[in-house]
Amino acid sequence: RKEVEQDPGPFNVPEGATVAFNCTYSNSASQSFFWYRQDCRKEPKLLMSVYSSGNEDGRFTAQLNRASQYISLLIRDSKLSDSATYLCAVSFAETGNQFYFGTGTSLTVIP
Amino acid sequence: NAGVTQTPKFRVLKTGQSMTLLCAQDMNHEYMYWYRQDPGMGLRLIHYSVGEGTTAKGEVPDGYNVSRLKKQNFLLGLESAAPSQTSVYFCASMRGGWYEQYFGPGTRLTVT
Repeated sequence: RKEVEQDPGPFNVPEGATVAFNCTYSNSASQSFFWYRQDCRKEPKLLMSVYSSGNEDGRFTAQLNRASQYISLLIRDSKLSDSATYLCAVSFAETGNQFYFGTGTSLTVIP
Repeated sequence: NAGVTQTPKFRVLKTGQSMTLLCAQDMNHEYMYWYRQDPGMGLRLIHYSVGEGTTAKGEVPDGYNVSRLKKQNFLLGLESAAPSQTSVYFCASMRGGWYEQYFGPGTRLTVT
């Protein structure tokens, strides 16, 4: 069983739409949670960390549900420039600073 | 400030050949990581290091070796390349106590 699972998509949404991605993790001891953005043939870049209370950064909102073991990313008012692959990542307390990544969810924002 | 750099950017190897991938960071980060990324598999951790002179195995360490003789460099070696090692390899570094990883641009390796 994979440590982290994501729906690979693709998600094709019109400009201005709201889109949400979920990511489930299997280890209840997971400690830290993140969303990364990866453009085609580029390296991943941290989009935002996910805090227990949820957090927002402009049009992006990340939430954590420990009871159901998932994290989510909500993008409001989608822009063409949001087209990318979004990777979730978790780290576990017992493995120190190892990170486990999901396979990524592909988003295309259509004019 | 170059961040994280990787050498080479592209490489084609024949089965059984060996090579070393170099990762360098100029941010004085304690942690360094090697990942491979394959279609449908996501990023998988090969080896990592929590400081100069230390290394540890990740999810998929078989067929790879690493060394961290200097804090700023993390080397990934393939002793006898196999077609299954065809992948994109990313290096990342992270400051101790923080959780943001900075990735290098990747090395695209093809083993024929």
